[in-house]
Amino acid sequence: EPEVTQTPSHQVTQMGQEVILRCVPISNHLYFYWYRQILGQKVEFLVSFYNNEISEKSEIFDDQFSVERPDGSNFTLKIRSTKLEDSAMYFCASRGKDRSSYNEQFFGPGTRLTVL
Amino acid sequence: LAKTTQPISMDSYEGQEVNITCSHNNIATNDYITWYQQFPSQGPRFIIQGYKTKVTNEVASLFIPADRKSSTLSLPRVSLSDTAVYYCLVGDIIGLTGGGNKLTFGTGTQLKVEL
Repeated sequence: EPEVTQTPSHQVTQMGQEVILRCVPISNHLYFYWYRQILGQKVEFLVSFYNNEISEKSEIFDDQFSVERPDGSNFTLKIRSTKLEDSAMYFCASRGKDRSSYNEQFFGPGTRLTVL
Repeated sequence: LAKTTQPISMDSYEGQEVNITCSHNNIATNDYITWYQQFPSQGPRFIIQGYKTKVTNEVASLFIPADRKSSTLSLPRVSLSDTAVYYCLVGDIIGLTGGGNKLTFGTGTQLKVEL
């Protein structure tokens, strides 16, 4: 069964450093998402991406964040200058274009980001 | 965006049927009801989606009454491995262009299954 993969599984960084979280969505999917979940809290939407541009972003997704699809398979989230409060589990998700499964997003296993 | 309300937690025993009810009083005409499951330190996983009446798949059933102001996720004969958080989400189906359709998660229902 196809699945979304994410690397690394765990990233530790110093405050102020840049991090890039990587995702490989399911190959025939067209819509891509990043979510995050701070320990013990809700899953929060960050950004959606379609047709090589951002479709929607949340208030969390400020100028420190950016997304990119550098090639036909990878989808990345960059945090330019990490803050302590960026420590969270980051999930990538993707979905196909089938209208009947519009709310069916496939999530990756997540990257745990720890900012020290 | 329709607000959803579901129990914070539920306990059950292996082999029992579990029903988790979600209320969504201000659901809109175009909204679908979707349930996700999340195990600790894993990404959410789609379980089932429906618009009205009953939907069944290999994992669960979803019951939606005629007024659509609530829905019930039914898990038949749960096992220990069904211990997870279950989220009820309500959202519309947008056009094929646009690409948004973010998911808005609440706090979910923590289901604990014991022997």
